[in-house]
Amino acid sequence: AQTVTQSQPEMSVQEAETVTLSCTYDTSESDYYLFWYKQPPSRQMILVIRQEAYKQQNATENRFSVNFQKAAKSFSLKISDSQLGDAAMYFCALYNFGNEKLTFGTGTRLTIIP
Amino acid sequence: EAGVVQSPRYKIIEKKQPVAFWCNPISGHNTLYWYRQNLGQGPELLIRYENEEAVDDSQLPKDRFSAERLKGVDSTLKIQPAELGDSAVYLCASSLEKFYEQYFGPGTRLTVT
Repeated sequence: AQTVTQSQPEMSVQEAETVTLSCTYDTSESDYYLFWYKQPPSRQMILVIRQEAYKQQNATENRFSVNFQKAAKSFSLKISDSQLGDAAMYFCALYNFGNEKLTFGTGTRLTIIP
Repeated sequence: EAGVVQSPRYKIIEKKQPVAFWCNPISGHNTLYWYRQNLGQGPELLIRYENEEAVDDSQLPKDRFSAERLKGVDSTLKIQPAELGDSAVYLCASSLEKFYEQYFGPGTRLTVT
């Protein structure tokens, strides 16, 4: 079994500032990937960033970066220079190669304050 | 390249009525997924198809839910009869060879009254 926990139901940040969204997970498998997805009001899940568990280097995609702490099973998302278009629900997810399942957390609603 | 297409976008029905959702995956994607997303929750897998075969339907409530994927392309998810607790967003996703690289459609928001 695998679980993904997001303990922040809501977060807000001033435009142009930096915000960090938290995620912890649990899995007994050694082969897995972690993801952050964005879900705007249109409901379409959009992949933001991916982290392979075997890589020590933290993934970065433009203004989005992660802090992957494998021993602590922690996977946070940092958004720099926040923009109004970043407002959405953000879901942390874990893909387990053993059972080929993608498991999502409960999401964090991010509000950008102009 | 067109994305995953779903219809309808919204559906309101009375309990005990049947309802069906349709999904057209990205062209060439052989794996198709149906997820249910309850309010305030993340998506949860209902069923996964590889081509025409349902390879994981362990989370599909088979007493009232059914799905099909004829010819390994489009898929239909049906609920009959619908219950109040079925109100949710139903998301379809597809992938090519890498099961972790899933592309999602816009979903169908179902409201059962």
